[in-house]
Amino acid sequence: DGGITQSPKYLFRKEGQNVTLSCEQNLNHDAMYWYRQDPGQGLRLIYYSQIVNDFQKGDIAEGYSVSREKKESFPLTVTSAQKNPTAFYLCASEGRGDGNTIYFGEGSWLTVV
Amino acid sequence: GENVEQHPSTLSVQEGDSAVIKCTYSDSASNYFPWYKQELGKRPQLIIDIRSNVGEKKDQRIAVTLNKTAKHFSLHITETQPEDSAVYFCAASRSGSARQLTFGSGTQLTVLP
Repeated sequence: DGGITQSPKYLFRKEGQNVTLSCEQNLNHDAMYWYRQDPGQGLRLIYYSQIVNDFQKGDIAEGYSVSREKKESFPLTVTSAQKNPTAFYLCASEGRGDGNTIYFGEGSWLTVV
Repeated sequence: GENVEQHPSTLSVQEGDSAVIKCTYSDSASNYFPWYKQELGKRPQLIIDIRSNVGEKKDQRIAVTLNKTAKHFSLHITETQPEDSAVYFCAASRSGSARQLTFGSGTQLTVLP
């Protein structure tokens, strides 16, 4: 069902800490994305990567960082600069040749304590 | 940039009745319109999509209609069942690429038995 694995499912962060969310895909997709989802709102794009060793800011990149050292992996770091990090985070990848369908991971719940 | 508005935010229907969710978009160049279903705490899943070269698309009990002139598209679910209860998101994109997808704020559909 999608071949995208996110971990951890639930994560608690203390004030001032950086945390990293993992995203791995085995779909051989070039493009990968990170979205943030807040209650009553649609998905908002944080960062995306079209190819290994390249990534671009999305609409709400402040306080986040990413890397794309391998095609299969696109980890997201939520830094202490992100003032309101409590949210549901979704990773996704995009396939070519099938209408650019986007596949989502199961998501990670991040809570600041 | 693109702006997508989705209505209603909540919708309750009796089992067996039809449900209609409407989205409007602002960018007349948008040409790809997917709909996603998200159950509580789960990943969004693509249920149907439409491109601007057609006005309607059906898949069993689900259909999507597109009015390019008025810049709106709608999701129609007939013969609703309790398992249809979920949050539904619309989205719009110029290129079909996820990096340009703009999501609506979601509709919580509840099917009452």
